Amino acid sequence: GDSVTQMEGPVTLSEEAFLTINCTYTATGYPSLFWYVQYPGEGLQLLLKATKADDKGSNKGFEATYRKETTSFHLEKGSVQVSDSAVYFCASTGANNLFFGTGTRLTVIP
Amino acid sequence: DAGVIQSPRHEVTEMGQEVTLRCKPISGHNSLFWYRQTMMRGLELLIYFNNNVPIDDSGMPEDRFSAKMPNASFSTLKIQPSEPRDSAVYFCASSLTGGGRTEAFFGQGTRLTVV
Repeated sequence: GDSVTQMEGPVTLSEEAFLTINCTYTATGYPSLFWYVQYPGEGLQLLLKATKADDKGSNKGFEATYRKETTSFHLEKGSVQVSDSAVYFCASTGANNLFFGTGTRLTVIP
Repeated sequence: DAGVIQSPRHEVTEMGQEVTLRCKPISGHNSLFWYRQTMMRGLELLIYFNNNVPIDDSGMPEDRFSAKMPNASFSTLKIQPSEPRDSAVYFCASSLTGGGRTEAFFGQGTRLTVV
């Protein structure tokens, strides 16, 4: 069945470090892919998305490229900030559903 | 649009009591999801509706949980009777699904504590 697998955390980085959070998906057909971010005490917010192969989603310095050949959608940021500390969720669409990964907690220390 | 609106934001109740969580999706959206989030189990899909019809409720933990969507602008999640292990943050989300391409928008969640 459809599913999403993402890198388990927690991840702790120093400010200005490079971030990668891995995400792979299993799907029948061609899903849309998303990264959501959850800040403490809040709901999930859409960070970026890609709707077809080779699309690159980007927002707030974060990027992810839809790789059909490797069924991946890894999240990257070149220089993280303390304000990026949050939980990040990878997600994939099904027929009428949305599948989430387990979430990766990122902590950025000054 | 005000986004997905959930109420209450916080709920503290005693074991055995009935709890009703409410959700108003974004106007025009035709899919609605209820999720539960805990430290131990992460984000779990409980049930989702498409055009007010429950499509998949396999994530509902047990018969104590029920969800309704009487119209396109309102949904409820009810727990009766509540138990301490139901303590979690419950999120409602809505989306406009047309070929499954669009993202879901989440409410702020209801933090439920059952004592």
